Amino acid sequence: QVQLQESGPGLVKPSETLSLTCDVSGFSISSGYFWNWIRQPPGKGLEWIGSLYHSGTTYYNPSLKSRVTISADTSKNQISLRLSSVTAADTAVYYCARSPSTVTPFDSWGQGTLVTVSS
Amino acid sequence: DIVMTQSPDSLAVSLGERATINCKASQTVLYGSNNKNYLGWYQQKPGQPPKLLIYWASTRESGVPDRFSGSGSGTDFTLTISSLQAEDVAVYYCQQYYSTPGTFGQGTKVEIK
Repeated sequence: QVQLQESGPGLVKPSETLSLTCDVSGFSISSGYFWNWIRQPPGKGLEWIGSLYHSGTTYYNPSLKSRVTISADTSKNQISLRLSSVTAADTAVYYCARSPSTVTPFDSWGQGTLVTVSS
Repeated sequence: DIVMTQSPDSLAVSLGERATINCKASQTVLYGSNNKNYLGWYQQKPGQPPKLLIYWASTRESGVPDRFSGSGSGTDFTLTISSLQAEDVAVYYCQQYYSTPGTFGQGTKVEIK
């Protein structure tokens, strides 16, 4: 059974870059599936940030595309998220999630990690 | 982007009674070539990630109790909890995965009356 676990700094300063990792266990990210980042501001709804296919192909939400990079380290079975030039509006719980394709739902989620943007 | 709008924003239902949540898409999420609705429902309990309940608008994920059912087609969808249990208290989200970016409804909070 696949398990996902996000980690990274809980506090990031405005204008800096947010960096998170998602450790995947129970499934090799090289075997297929899409690996997604989704965020949820406190008390608010869900926003898809982007996804990465095991081949390295990436898809990003146009609203964030200029600031987002998603990558993979297959040797560590890990997915990474970088979001540059953050503001308070980027404060959210960040989830990694798996989906079979870009046109399927998210079938497995990590527990999420809260990132606060504040000086 | 396809805008997903849920109604109501919240509802309170007595234990054992039916709860109904609606979701409307700003454009169709029915793919004509395979007649599938690219619509899912998630349950999110406090402090937990969302959990997939229903996909293709009406197919229950493995292990999901059969009191949860999904219906609808095109732009209008419904999630029904036939007999509300205490453990069903949560926020429910619909999501379209017909086009990128996949978008979610704003959520419906279900409470016990």
